[in-house]
Amino acid sequence: DIVMTQTPLSLSVTPGQPASISCKSSQSLLHSDGKTYLYWYLQKPGQSPQLLIYEVSNRFSGVPDRFSGSGSGTDFTLKISRVEAEDVGVYYCMQSIQLPPYTFGQGTKLEIK
Amino acid sequence: QVTLRESGPALVKPTQTLTLTCTFSGFSLSTSGMCVSWIRQPPGKALEWLARIDWDDDKYYSTSLKTRLTISKDTSKNQVVLTMTNMDPVDTATYYCARTLAAAGTDFDYWGQGTLVTVSS
Repeated sequence: DIVMTQTPLSLSVTPGQPASISCKSSQSLLHSDGKTYLYWYLQKPGQSPQLLIYEVSNRFSGVPDRFSGSGSGTDFTLKISRVEAEDVGVYYCMQSIQLPPYTFGQGTKLEIK
Repeated sequence: QVTLRESGPALVKPTQTLTLTCTFSGFSLSTSGMCVSWIRQPPGKALEWLARIDWDDDKYYSTSLKTRLTISKDTSKNQVVLTMTNMDPVDTATYYCARTLAAAGTDFDYWGQGTLVTVSS
């Protein structure tokens, strides 16, 4: 199974400041079809996860443009340009190049200072 | 409007079989490229994918749990059912169903609200 490793596991950010989360996969997520199957989800407190970013850098419908994804191969980053209070929660990366199984990272908890 | 809703018992005893139902609306599982997965989350822990069923009835299972899982669909009822045998207290978790639209490359674009299952005697 592909192992997804996130860092840091927690971060505390002042509103208006940027935040960055790293995700590394144990194998390349670049498929022969040219797509890279790396996703980002946010689970707000008491809620179900919600899709933020698909295929590395594509924002899902309704996701604010302060969220951006980048990376290639095995190294990926989620960036929030200016953190807002509503961004608190746990962020997960996930791979779907190798199925089964889908695998998630351990999660990164974002708190507001 | 796409919605998914999980239903099933809140409490099961060890060794029993768990049956969960995902009832959805706003899409059809007979549409090419449509898939539904089950994902669980033990309290305070990370997400774990369990199984997926596709529009063409292809099925995929967690490598570590595949001997205990069965996923099926009833397209006419817009439902996906997951059964998990030989339940253990470590299976205590919130169980979610989520949609994949393979054609758009969006895995788990919509999720249900989840249902908490506790395994205890």
